[in-house]
Amino acid sequence: QQQVKQSPQSLIVQKGGISIINCAYENTAFDYFPWYQQFPGKGPALLIAIRPDVSEKKEGRFTISFNKSAKQFSLHIMDSQPGDSATYFCAASAGANDYKLSFGAGTTVTVRA
Amino acid sequence: SQTIHQWPATLVQPVGSPLSLECTVEGTSNPNLYWYRQAAGRGLQLLFYSVGIGQISSEVPQNLSASRPQDRQFILSSKKLLLSDSGFYLCAWSVGQGIINTEAFFGQGTRLTVV
Repeated sequence: QQQVKQSPQSLIVQKGGISIINCAYENTAFDYFPWYQQFPGKGPALLIAIRPDVSEKKEGRFTISFNKSAKQFSLHIMDSQPGDSATYFCAASAGANDYKLSFGAGTTVTVRA
Repeated sequence: SQTIHQWPATLVQPVGSPLSLECTVEGTSNPNLYWYRQAAGRGLQLLFYSVGIGQISSEVPQNLSASRPQDRQFILSSKKLLLSDSGFYLCAWSVGQGIINTEAFFGQGTRLTVV
């Protein structure tokens, strides 16, 4: 049973557009929510992460929005570029009491030039 | 700086043959170590994790086993491969117990095809 549900499975966006990926969780013990970016044939790499004490975190063109009451968080990619084409995974863990990351199923983003 | 090495990058094995994938981490001590499998078009499935030498936790009962003979070495094995074992295997590490930040660092993966 997947503890983190991610949608959509794939999306296509035009260059300069906004990509939005959503994730939802049930475990209220989760307190660390990272996003990973994976290019074909490579391992995932941490993109950006958030903790529930803030509602938004921005790093360059990437923004995480976090809604603790709804148990949802999302990744926004602003001004999407062809180099952003990759698979994105959301994840969650319960910090020091949980050594494991629970991953969403992934979203394949294709940015058309 | 910390680095993670995973090999081989690709592997084609016949059904029924044994498997050994190796992962080593440099530049850190007492890391948590993980093996994930990624099936085509699917997410990351945690197979095993280890918080110390000889300590292995299995997440999914299956045809695979893991061992941690040294602090920074993690091995994924099988005695007899099945067709369903095909996939992209990823080793990862994170900072050890007591640290809040659980960022995981992944290796480059091994593409295993069982034929």
